[in-house]
Amino acid sequence: DQQVKQNSPSLSVQEGRISILNCDYTNSMFDYFLWYKKYPAEGPTFLISISSIKDKNEDGRFTVFLNKSAKHLSLHIVPSQPGDSAVYFCAASDGNYGQNFVFGPGTRLSVLP
Amino acid sequence: DVKVTQSSRYLVKRTGEKVFLECVQDMDHENMFWYRQDPGLGLRLIYFSYDVKMKEKGDIPEGYSVSREKKERFSLILESASTNQTSMYLCASSFLPGTGKPLEQYFGPGTRLTVT
Repeated sequence: DQQVKQNSPSLSVQEGRISILNCDYTNSMFDYFLWYKKYPAEGPTFLISISSIKDKNEDGRFTVFLNKSAKHLSLHIVPSQPGDSAVYFCAASDGNYGQNFVFGPGTRLSVLP
Repeated sequence: DVKVTQSSRYLVKRTGEKVFLECVQDMDHENMFWYRQDPGLGLRLIYFSYDVKMKEKGDIPEGYSVSREKKERFSLILESASTNQTSMYLCASSFLPGTGKPLEQYFGPGTRLTVT
């Protein structure tokens, strides 16, 4: 049973518009969340993180929102650019287990020019 | 810049062969990880190590073993490769939690292993 779910396998967005990628989790012990971006034939690269003590974190065009009561987080990309086309993975960790992260299955984002 | 390197980008092996995948990181990270990535399943943890000679099973350790003799190097071993081990293998490293350092994992470029 997947503890981290990304229910949209793919998403297409027009260049310049907002991309919203969603992630749901089931383990209430998760307290640290990350988003990774992965291009074909490359390893995932870290994008942005959020701790459970916050509900929002911004870094340039990327913002992550956390709704703990709904066990839901989302990544907003504004404005979307063609170079953002990649697979995005959501990952979660609990503080006690510490070093390990559980990854979602990924969402493939296509930003159309 | 953090660098995680993997010994091969592409590998083709026959069923029953012993396969070694090597990973090296240069950031003095305590933690090292091996994942496999399959379509629709995301990244699944095979093993991780938080110190030299220490190892912990992940979610799918069956058919794999690991070795960490030096802090910077973490090897994944397939004792007898099978076709269902055809996959993309990703190595990652990170600092230990509780040290005040960033927790995110840094990944290598991956090894695409095909077992025929």
